[in-house]
Amino acid sequence: GAVVSQHPSWVICKSGTSVKIECRSLDFQATTMFWYRQFPKQSLMLMATSNEGSKATYEQGVEKDKFLINHASLTLSTLTVTSAHPEDSSFYICSALPGGTEAFFGQGTRLTVV
Amino acid sequence: GENVEQHPSTLSVQEGDSAVIKCTYSDSASNYFPWYKQELGKRPQLIIDIRSNVGEKKDQRIAVTLNKTAKHFSLHITETQPEDSAVYFCAAAYGQNFVFGPGTRLSVLP
Repeated sequence: GAVVSQHPSWVICKSGTSVKIECRSLDFQATTMFWYRQFPKQSLMLMATSNEGSKATYEQGVEKDKFLINHASLTLSTLTVTSAHPEDSSFYICSALPGGTEAFFGQGTRLTVV
Repeated sequence: GENVEQHPSTLSVQEGDSAVIKCTYSDSASNYFPWYKQELGKRPQLIIDIRSNVGEKKDQRIAVTLNKTAKHFSLHITETQPEDSAVYFCAAAYGQNFVFGPGTRLSVLP
């Protein structure tokens, strides 16, 4: 199946700093990618839809100025958590749908803000 | 918008027994229903899916049923094995809009 690669797999940062997470489609082009957040023992909650060459679409309650999304090419979307705080600690996962229906997920990034 | 419920939240079965997880959805426009298995700290992996024009689909020990009228679908795992232990998520989708259920933690006891 299609491959979605996410980097880094884990990151620890200090409160107040910014962290960038990359999501790459390795064997297909993705005009749209999706960013999810998953708290421990909870489901995947859609944060935003990343659109190549245009602004991301954010879900209600997600601060667009805090979670910056850039989708500058057909194979790369980045999520930057700005001025991170401990409450931002979570598992962030991206996904893409190369065939339009089946979703393929990145490995996920475990962010810990100390 | 779409709302997906999933039950039970936790399920423990003896190895070799069957496990059933049920989901309901609210938006009749949803037409694609995948099931994902997620092991601790790893990405969700698609294990089976079903589209709205099909009532049942089976793949070895895994089967999924869909009742569009009642807006519910179920995952059936037979002859469970310890490696089936994981969190399972159902989802209801229309186009690229996916809504996930809250998940079921399945434990298969040896």
